[in-house]
Amino acid sequence: GDSVTQMEGPVTLSEEAFLTINCTYTATGYPSLFWYVQYPGEGLQLLLKATKADDKGSNKGFEATYRKETTSFHLEKGSVQVSDSAVYFCALSDEVAGGTSYGKLTFGQGTILTVHP
Amino acid sequence: EAGVVQSPRYKIIEKKQPVAFWCNPISGHNTLYWYLQNLGQGPELLIRYENEEAVDDSQLPKDRFSAERLKGVDSTLKIQPAELGDSAVYLCASSLDVLAGFNEQFFGPGTRLTVL
Repeated sequence: GDSVTQMEGPVTLSEEAFLTINCTYTATGYPSLFWYVQYPGEGLQLLLKATKADDKGSNKGFEATYRKETTSFHLEKGSVQVSDSAVYFCALSDEVAGGTSYGKLTFGQGTILTVHP
Repeated sequence: EAGVVQSPRYKIIEKKQPVAFWCNPISGHNTLYWYLQNLGQGPELLIRYENEEAVDDSQLPKDRFSAERLKGVDSTLKIQPAELGDSAVYLCASSLDVLAGFNEQFFGPGTRLTVL
């Protein structure tokens, strides 16, 4: 079945440091890939997505590129802020024949990011 | 526009008691999902509704869990009886119309269940 593996956390960085959170996946077909963020006390929010190979998703300074050859979707940000402290989840959605996705999300285990001033 | 609403936000019960969670999706969203999130893990799908029809409930433990989505809007997830291992966060999400290709999911804040 489909699966997503994220780098082990937690990750602790100083403000303005460079961030990478690794994500690799196993899936049949051509899934869509997502990064969700969960701030303390809040629900998951979609951060960015990519629907096909070589697509780059970006939002709020975060980027991730859909790499089919390495089955990866690593999250990066050039300069993190204290407000980026949260839990980050990589996820993929299933795809059935004909290119239709029924939206079932398979999540990684999450990576806790803490950014210090 | 209001987001996905869930209640209660927190619930503490004794084992073997029943418990119910309620979800109101974003207005107009046809697809509704219930997820289970254990501590330190990502969410796992329990059940997905297209309007009032449960189209994927393969991960729902049907001996103690049940769900309904009357009239294709609000949904209720029930556990009876609850066990210690059910302590987790129960998340509800909705999307506009998966079958039409609008599959971005919007999540509610979740209900944190503690079973003592």
